Amino acid sequence: GEDVEQSLFLSVREGDSSVINCTYTDSSSTYLYWYKQEPGAGLQLLTYIFSNMDMKQDQRLTVLLNKKDKHLSLRIADTQTGDSAIYFCAESITGGYQKVTFGTGTKLQVIP
Amino acid sequence: DVKVTQSSRYLVKRTGEKVFLECVQDMDHENMFWYRQDPGLGLRLIYFSYDVKMKEKGDIPEGYSVSREKKERFSLILESASTNQTSMYLCASSLSGIDNEQFFGPGTRLTVL
Repeated sequence: GEDVEQSLFLSVREGDSSVINCTYTDSSSTYLYWYKQEPGAGLQLLTYIFSNMDMKQDQRLTVLLNKKDKHLSLRIADTQTGDSAIYFCAESITGGYQKVTFGTGTKLQVIP
Repeated sequence: DVKVTQSSRYLVKRTGEKVFLECVQDMDHENMFWYRQDPGLGLRLIYFSYDVKMKEKGDIPEGYSVSREKKERFSLILESASTNQTSMYLCASSLSGIDNEQFFGPGTRLTVL
């Protein structure tokens, strides 16, 4: 079955890079996602990567996928206080329905 | 601008009450989902629906039921609320397609006393 694990908390200084890590168990994942949840709000898709890709870059965000180790990471360059949020890793598997499995979430705290 | 709305941001109910949580999306999405979010446990899928009047159990359906009479509306029902159902409830919708992006509502924080 699917299982997605993340560390619960990360603290960084403003201007530094943040790296949020995620491991997943299902090797048949087709898409892997990073969602962001700001305080008091629902989740919003930040970026995603198709399982046949190793890396995706989108402005300050870099996603790295290591399929062999089933490891996904999100790097945020030049972290700002507005990046403080909970970040969820998620995976979807092609199947009969559009199910996505979410990780436990990593709370990123950016210290000014 | 795509939108998923939930009927209440905060709700306080008593043990044994019947509770309705409503979710509406304006994007003509086929798929709708109900999750609960608890600290350290992330999002857990309660139920989902891929079409009107269709429903499927998620990972933690016990104590919940759902209703989807119209494409844009997905309701979560707690037949007899219990204190262990105190949680944040998130509704989401998605289009059937390739990337499965889900769009979320702002959440309903339910407290059962």
